[in-house]
Amino acid sequence: AAGVIQSPRHLIKEKRETATLKCYPIPRHDTVYWYQQGPGQDPQFLISFYEKMQSDKGSIPDRFSAQQFSDYHSELNMSSLELGDSALYFCASSNGGVTEAFFGQGTRLTVV
Amino acid sequence: EDKVVQSPLSLVVHEGDTVTLNCSYEVTNFRSLLWYKQEKKAPTFLFMLTSSGIEKKSGRLSSILDKKELFSILNITATQTGDSAVYLCAYILTGANNLFFGTGTRLTVIP
Repeated sequence: AAGVIQSPRHLIKEKRETATLKCYPIPRHDTVYWYQQGPGQDPQFLISFYEKMQSDKGSIPDRFSAQQFSDYHSELNMSSLELGDSALYFCASSNGGVTEAFFGQGTRLTVV
Repeated sequence: EDKVVQSPLSLVVHEGDTVTLNCSYEVTNFRSLLWYKQEKKAPTFLFMLTSSGIEKKSGRLSSILDKKELFSILNITATQTGDSAVYLCAYILTGANNLFFGTGTRLTVIP
């Protein structure tokens, strides 16, 4: 069965660079959620989209932006990267609320 | 301020042991509590608990919610090495559609 696809799986960037993470939800899922999980930390909610509109916003820094496109895939854009942005970034998708969401394998971002 | 606390932070047991993981919460407008298993990658859903006192069971795993004492437990019986993972609990608020996670319990099952 198709799952949530995230790309890239691993990304290494230097400080002050820009990164774009992509998330392809399960077909027919209309909601995408982004979470950030720092080393040894719990996942923190960043932002979510429903039907291509932002639906909820969590602890997303101003340096980050995200959107959901017409094909329902979502991109998380991160600018002026800082060392503290190094984390595992999860995307989840659902078609019935977050309690029914499936998580992708994550993108591990390392900022050096 | 809403919070969720998991205990213990880390646990090492032998195969065949039974473990109980705890998740305590102080949440305004609580709706449900969810348990996830996270191995090296994505969290995978285990249980969602909304009503107090009703045990949910899946194989060797079971979980229950106590809305009076504000906690949930996750039990794993006859543990196997494949149960080694971080177990996360998360809550969801009434009217909201995102998850707030605890810091997790790292379970290591040794042969």
